[in-house]
Amino acid sequence: SAVISQKPSRDICQRGTSLTIQCQVDSQVTMMFWYRQQPGQSLTLIATANQGSEATYESGFVIDKFPISRPNLTFSTLTVSNMSPEDSSIYLCSVDAASGSSYNEQFFGPGTRLTVL
Amino acid sequence: GNSVTQMEGPVTLSEEAFLTINCTYTATGYPSLFWYVQYPGEGLQLLLKATKADDKGSNKGFEATYRKETTSFHLEKGSVQVSDSAVYFCALLLTGGGNKLTFGTGTQLKVEL
Repeated sequence: SAVISQKPSRDICQRGTSLTIQCQVDSQVTMMFWYRQQPGQSLTLIATANQGSEATYESGFVIDKFPISRPNLTFSTLTVSNMSPEDSSIYLCSVDAASGSSYNEQFFGPGTRLTVL
Repeated sequence: GNSVTQMEGPVTLSEEAFLTINCTYTATGYPSLFWYVQYPGEGLQLLLKATKADDKGSNKGFEATYRKETTSFHLEKGSVQVSDSAVYFCALLLTGGGNKLTFGTGTQLKVEL
């Protein structure tokens, strides 16, 4: 298994500002993902964070709004830029801990609860 | 495309009642199937999984069987407890597609004494 921590756990931000969320894993992993969970909704994949190259974004998400860094195999950041109230969500980091019997198993961080006023 | 359909909630049960949460899927290929649970105020935790047809995943008294013929992965528990109150998400993952999970909309379960 993989243990994932996220910072901050929650924040309240003003419209027009930006917030950077950190995700730290206790072991090296190949794939890291960022999801958004809007209030009362399911999870939507924002992007796959690739180590050493640009992130791969899903339809409807762009780098200018959600820049992502992945400097090594245990760490990634997601920035929510120029925030509006519609960005109020829980943002979750996940990792693919494919190894032996845990093939294709993903583990999730505790999430960052963001409220934009 | 790939999709997951779950029964809508909220589902309210009395303690010790039998639980079924329906999940069906559409996928191009042969996905792995998962149930995740989200307790109030927490992130997602993997509850159980099945990687091929007829596999049964089980954990904490919960079970789900991968039924290829009906493209289903229904979650069951024989006797629920108040501590099972949470949101349950069904998800699929296709290898070779970037290992991206596709989630259902989630089903909220509330168990009362």
